[in-house]
Amino acid sequence: NAGVTQTPKFQVLKTGQSMTLQCAQDMNHNSMYWYRQDPGMGLRLIYYSASEGTTDKGEVPNGYNVSRLNKREFSLRLESAAPSQTSVYFCASSEFASKDEQFFGPGTRLTVL
Amino acid sequence: GENVEQHPSTLSVQEGDSAVIKCTYSDSASNYFPWYKQELGKRPQLIIDIRSNVGEKKDQRIAVTLNKTAKHFSLHITETQPEDSAVYFCAASGNTPLVFGKGTRLSVIA
Repeated sequence: NAGVTQTPKFQVLKTGQSMTLQCAQDMNHNSMYWYRQDPGMGLRLIYYSASEGTTDKGEVPNGYNVSRLNKREFSLRLESAAPSQTSVYFCASSEFASKDEQFFGPGTRLTVL
Repeated sequence: GENVEQHPSTLSVQEGDSAVIKCTYSDSASNYFPWYKQELGKRPQLIIDIRSNVGEKKDQRIAVTLNKTAKHFSLHITETQPEDSAVYFCAASGNTPLVFGKGTRLSVIA
């Protein structure tokens, strides 16, 4: 099993460009998450999907949109990238949306110039 | 919503000594408290977790304690080794997804 996979691993964008980060899991988990990690700020939740067909905002949703394409896949879209969105993005999944271990993907390092 | 505070932000210990990282949380409904380890350039991975029906849990050199009355929980690493050097995150969850602390960078000096 691959667990949680993310593409791409690295990306450089110019301000105003758009892009979609892809995430997939093969553990048949119900819940999926997108986090951003910035130095000294820990892991901050952007959006999550408690189950297929639902999405909810996390702590820092502004500037992002998500799509739960099916049970396996959860994508994160930046419509108009800004330098403040330079970060490392992690996708994660878990059986349940609360009180459960989350499994993380390898991360995407995004730089916005 | 839940707020998790983690201390210290950095910690240096000599190899073989113990390390303790402390976290406090605000939501009394939280009842699941995991700890994640993140090595440099890698993804966070669960190392131990505790639920509110127990006060302490051990796994070899790692232990976690929970005080629900005071709303704090701690990670204890004994006999530290160089491979314990990493960033450690605590988290808390009740009826909502995990909320993470800001992390502790642990350096074990040989």
